[in-house]
Amino acid sequence: DTAVSQTPKYLVTQMGNDKSIKCEQNLGHDTMYWYKQDSKKFLKIMFSYNNKELIINETVPNRFSPKSPDKAHLNLHINSLELGDSAVYFCASSQFPLSGRRDTQYFGPGTRLTVL
Amino acid sequence: GQNIDQPTEMTATEGAIVQINCTYQTSGFNGLFWYQQHAGEAPTFLSYNVLDGLEEKGRFSSFLSRSKGYSYLLLKELQMKDSASYLCAVREGGGADGLTFGKGTHLIIQP
Repeated sequence: DTAVSQTPKYLVTQMGNDKSIKCEQNLGHDTMYWYKQDSKKFLKIMFSYNNKELIINETVPNRFSPKSPDKAHLNLHINSLELGDSAVYFCASSQFPLSGRRDTQYFGPGTRLTVL
Repeated sequence: GQNIDQPTEMTATEGAIVQINCTYQTSGFNGLFWYQQHAGEAPTFLSYNVLDGLEEKGRFSSFLSRSKGYSYLLLKELQMKDSASYLCAVREGGGADGLTFGKGTHLIIQP
């Protein structure tokens, strides 16, 4: 009964490769997110997406792109991987937030990406 | 810019009480969250405050003062399993944007 799932859990790859991380949620949520957690454990938003808008953190390189085939999935594609991309990537989901409304984000288990 | 500050590390004793503080300066405010993260695991939701005051939930309580840009997480009757990182996060907007996290407080519980 996993609410938010990600695959793969671990990903080891060479510099310059292109890779994808998949995320699925079965909570019926409207909004999904990708976060990056670096080696210092700092969790930072990369993208948030629902059927109306994609919000991109301006610090994210355009080598990263989210792709959503449907409301329950938000995959992360990374082109031309670099050493600095090594991190743990977390997917999350929430109900579409309305002003003043509780909006808890539920996180997936994370994907540890290592670029060699 | 956005700034969320928490202590990097705290140590407490099993059975005791600990308070983890968080101060924030963000461009907007639409709620403050506390998450717990054990090593190698995903963050899990602990509490949410959007109005001033105290929210209590079992051994955990969270307080918010919007005028001071300040929150704390209070953990009572500490257990060894409470050893984890505690992340303070602010939701700035009302649209489909994500959370802005602090760098987390690593809490060590000693017997």
